[in-house]
Amino acid sequence: DARVTQTPRHKVTEMGQEVTMRCQPILGHNTVFWYRQTMMQGLELLAYFRNRAPLDDSGMPKDRFSAEMPDATLATLKIQPSEPRDSAVYFCASGLGRDAETETQYFGPGTRLLVL
Amino acid sequence: KQEVTQIPAALSVPEGENLVLNCSFTDSAIYNLQWFRQDPGKGLTSLLLIQSSQREQTSGRLNASLDKSSGRSTLYIAASQPGDSATYLCAVPSNTGKLIFGQGTTLQVKP
Repeated sequence: DARVTQTPRHKVTEMGQEVTMRCQPILGHNTVFWYRQTMMQGLELLAYFRNRAPLDDSGMPKDRFSAEMPDATLATLKIQPSEPRDSAVYFCASGLGRDAETETQYFGPGTRLLVL
Repeated sequence: KQEVTQIPAALSVPEGENLVLNCSFTDSAIYNLQWFRQDPGKGLTSLLLIQSSQREQTSGRLNASLDKSSGRSTLYIAASQPGDSATYLCAVPSNTGKLIFGQGTTLQVKP
């Protein structure tokens, strides 16, 4: 049963600390998306990768956020330094990345982040 | 269990037409409702978010309405353009926060 995994599932940290969230996409998927969800803003796209290369990170605050794919099985989202307004659920999703199609994105369970 | 349905599944219109996309949900106790656009090979782009206390939201040529009591939302697109061609998804959060998506409406606007 292939699924997207994310770690940690929950993270509580203090303002100013570095936070690293990890995502393992479904094997064989070559597109990875990072989303942030809050009740006030809903789901927002932060960045996405195709074949490990960043295609669009315009939704991500560049001064404190960074996203990378060290290899095809791992995507990371870092916040440094973290701020209380970063508190949200961060979702990773993966897909097969067929340019000519709109297709299902498979979402991970999310990382619930609380910055005090 | 919340279920979200979108009709029609696909829609093709000539450029310039006004159109309405429909979204219905079975549990009216929602916190908000969000409309997204999905282009081939790209991430979901948030278009409009309506809080449960609101009846509509507008952004440019887009207008989304929400009627909680009847479990419906509509996305109105005025003066459609070929660039509006995409799949449109609506979603509501479950009581655990997980987003529940409709199946989407694939829109094609012909020049």
